[in-house]
Amino acid sequence: DGGITQSPKYLFRKEGQNVTLSCEQNLNHDAMYWYRQDPGQGLRLIYYSQIVNDFQKGDIAEGYSVSREKKESFPLTVTSAQKNPTAFYLCASSQNRQENTEAFFGQGTRLTVV
Amino acid sequence: KNQVEQSPQSLIILEGKNCTLQCNYTVSPFSNLRWYKQDTGRGPVSLTIMTFSENTKSNGRYTATLDADTKQSSLHITASQLSDSASYICVVRPYGNNRLAFGKGNQVVVIP
Repeated sequence: DGGITQSPKYLFRKEGQNVTLSCEQNLNHDAMYWYRQDPGQGLRLIYYSQIVNDFQKGDIAEGYSVSREKKESFPLTVTSAQKNPTAFYLCASSQNRQENTEAFFGQGTRLTVV
Repeated sequence: KNQVEQSPQSLIILEGKNCTLQCNYTVSPFSNLRWYKQDTGRGPVSLTIMTFSENTKSNGRYTATLDADTKQSSLHITASQLSDSASYICVVRPYGNNRLAFGKGNQVVVIP
């Protein structure tokens, strides 16, 4: 089945550790995104990538890093520099056409700092 | 200031009743507006998508409307079911870029 897959579903991190969240899509989409969702907040953009080997900072990129070495994959690393990393992280992908372009979301990764 | 405002923030409705959710946006020009449904702990799933030239779009018991002049959209849920309990998110795509503008969502709870 075509879709976008995030793993793991739950992730626990000790303070000071880096962790990497996986996002894979087989929809042949050019664009991929990472969002953070906190209770009572709308989704906030961390990083996005329009094509392979290119990515741009979103609104809250500090403390995060990404790579886009393959079209299908857009992993997100939460570094120790991110002061409040506990949140629900969502990955999405879409085509770059304007009209009727829809973003498809993964099922999310809940990260908890312990 | 958030470019997409949704109201009410939350509401409780009886099973079988109808409800309407509101979305006001300032994004201009825009390419399209979508309503997503997000179950707790899951990723959002698209319900409807409308371009600026469309006024209404239905998906089963969900009907979305769009007034591009007043920059308002609504999502109407007919004959609500327990499975409609979720957050409904209004998302606007600006014209010319892929940075989506998200509302904070309408939290709907359907009770028997």
